[in-house]
Amino acid sequence: GAVVSQHPSWVICKSGTSVKIECRSLDFQATTMFWYRQFPKQSLMLMATSNEGSKATYEQGVEKDKFLINHASLTLSTLTVTSAHPEDSSFYICSALRQHSVFFGSGTQLSVL
Amino acid sequence: AQRVTQPEKLLSVFKGAPVELKCNYSYSGSPELFWYVQYSRQRLQLLLRHISRESIKGFTADLNKGETSFHLKKPFAQEEDSAMYYCALSGFGGNKLVFGAGTILRVKS
Repeated sequence: GAVVSQHPSWVICKSGTSVKIECRSLDFQATTMFWYRQFPKQSLMLMATSNEGSKATYEQGVEKDKFLINHASLTLSTLTVTSAHPEDSSFYICSALRQHSVFFGSGTQLSVL
Repeated sequence: AQRVTQPEKLLSVFKGAPVELKCNYSYSGSPELFWYVQYSRQRLQLLLRHISRESIKGFTADLNKGETSFHLKKPFAQEEDSAMYYCALSGFGGNKLVFGAGTILRVKS
């Protein structure tokens, strides 16, 4: 099967610091990965599409300078939340595309104090 | 605008009872519809997609373009079906998923 690993599972940071979340496809190459955000008791909201070797495509209303995405290899995409604030606290989920199917990571709970 | 609506936040049924999780969508074009499931403490995983027309774990879903619905059904619920279910759509041939708010299915013994 296709496995997507997301790390860390949870992170607590101070306001103003930056946090990096990794998304790895363990047994396949993924030229396209997706980053979602989920607030408590709400649905997953697509933030951006991460494309290997090129710039990410951000959804409307998502600040690209705030949420930096890097997809430097075929198995790794990273999301960096820069200068985090308490309102950035959320559950972040990545997914990777493999042959027209999407496989999800287990998510990262970010808490900004 | 693309939108997926799941009107029920929680659906509670007894074991052996029929289950129907509702999903309506709005999309200008030919969408692909999916159901994803998230069991307790596990990641989101694909349950079924409308183009496959298959039954997974006893669940089926038929795309009704007239009613713009893609309801998930199972004739006899089992306790292990208890989970969060998300309906999602993407543009045909695309992969960007738009999710509904999700429905918690609770199957009681």
